Amino acid sequence: DIKMTQSPSSLSASLGERVTISCRASENINNYLSWYQKKEDGSVKLLIYHTSRLQPGAPSRFSGSGSGKDYSLTISGLESEDIATYYCQQGYTPLTFGSGTKLEIK
Amino acid sequence: EVQLKESGPGLVQPSQTLSLTCTVSGFSLTDYSVHWVRQPPGKGLEWMGVMWSGGSTAYNSALKSRLSISRDTSKSQVFLKMNSLQTEDTAIYYCTRGGTTVVTAYVMDAWGQGASVTVSS
Repeated sequence: DIKMTQSPSSLSASLGERVTISCRASENINNYLSWYQKKEDGSVKLLIYHTSRLQPGAPSRFSGSGSGKDYSLTISGLESEDIATYYCQQGYTPLTFGSGTKLEIK
Repeated sequence: EVQLKESGPGLVQPSQTLSLTCTVSGFSLTDYSVHWVRQPPGKGLEWMGVMWSGGSTAYNSALKSRLSISRDTSKSQVFLKMNSLQTEDTAIYYCTRGGTTVVTAYVMDAWGQGASVTVSS
């Protein structure tokens, strides 16, 4: 199984700040990488798929990049509604997720 | 509007079988896949398996011996059955919609609200 190592596990940032979350796969995943946002109420939303494609309806302040084994999610200008836990997920079965990054406001 | 809704018992006894139903609307099960994902308390997300649009399935190897996913397309429902439940199977169980192309088949673009399942006597 492909292991996804996500960092940091938690992050505290100020409103308006630029935030970056990283994910490293144990092998090349050829850009088959998605990012999800999970809120405290349990709701989950897809933000980015295939490394950098913004899901319709997701705010444009979210962007993704990467290749090979290394990927990142960037929030350009943190807003209060971005408080959530973020997960990366690779696309080869069995599908696997990163361990999550809990984002808080400083 | 695309919707997925999980339903099932909130409490299951150890060694018993969990049965969950995912009822979908706004899309056809013959066009889109449905994945099951769970999250134990305080832990991360775990992919359990998928019902592909063509009717075949794939499972997480760690759960394969206990897990079965099936569907009734006429009712727009996907079913999860997992036997020999233990306390570590306590989790929120989500059904999610997968995409239709090679690039998006693994992408979960819509999620249900989740069903809380507790395994306890």
